[in-house]
Amino acid sequence: GESVGLHLPTLSVQEGDNSIINCAYSNSASDYFIWYKQESGKGPQFIIDIRSNMDKRQGQRVTVLLNKTVKHLSLQIAATQPGDSAVYFCAERATSGTYKYIFGTGTRLKVLA
Amino acid sequence: DGGITQSPKYLFRKEGQNVTLSCEQNLNHDAMYWYRQDPGQGLRLIYYSQIVNDFQKGDIAEGYSVSREKKESFPLTVTSAQKNPTAFYLCASSWSSFYTGELFFGEGSRLTVL
Repeated sequence: GESVGLHLPTLSVQEGDNSIINCAYSNSASDYFIWYKQESGKGPQFIIDIRSNMDKRQGQRVTVLLNKTVKHLSLQIAATQPGDSAVYFCAERATSGTYKYIFGTGTRLKVLA
Repeated sequence: DGGITQSPKYLFRKEGQNVTLSCEQNLNHDAMYWYRQDPGQGLRLIYYSQIVNDFQKGDIAEGYSVSREKKESFPLTVTSAQKNPTAFYLCASSWSSFYTGELFFGEGSRLTVL
């Protein structure tokens, strides 16, 4: 069953192309950010994280960029594959040293064959 | 394999019934959390526990209850007082609620009120 929004913004990308998913975060004091991938009916999976003292971090096929000036986070996926189709959302830890995470509503990525 | 196990995956409840969702982790994490996910909304925190025998209300605790009698277990009870319980419920854990680190999520439990 559908576990995530039926009316999420959707990004359609051709297989093999690069994808860029954006997230505007809310709190200028947030010190830690995470990108999650969620497939339909499943729990979120960690993709990559970044601390506020960094502006870029790379993983395998993924890169996260952090722009604190405009409170913007982006996830870049290189050579997008069909298995990348899912909902992607960001999370910010709103206050250092606490449990409080604020989650975005997400973007649906559709990979076209 | 280390991870978080939620059960049941699907649950149907009649109005007026309490139901309990199970969450077990073998990651040796101190902190555990319950989130609710509704279409078009970000995850919302119901309850969290920083350590055994301690738990705190999150942003939407009304109509829910929890216990943390063991480090590895954090069950959530959805009571009849919860007015709109149909949702996807996610349990998560982390090493600590005080230090930076990812949240590890279970596979979720979908509750439907008939």
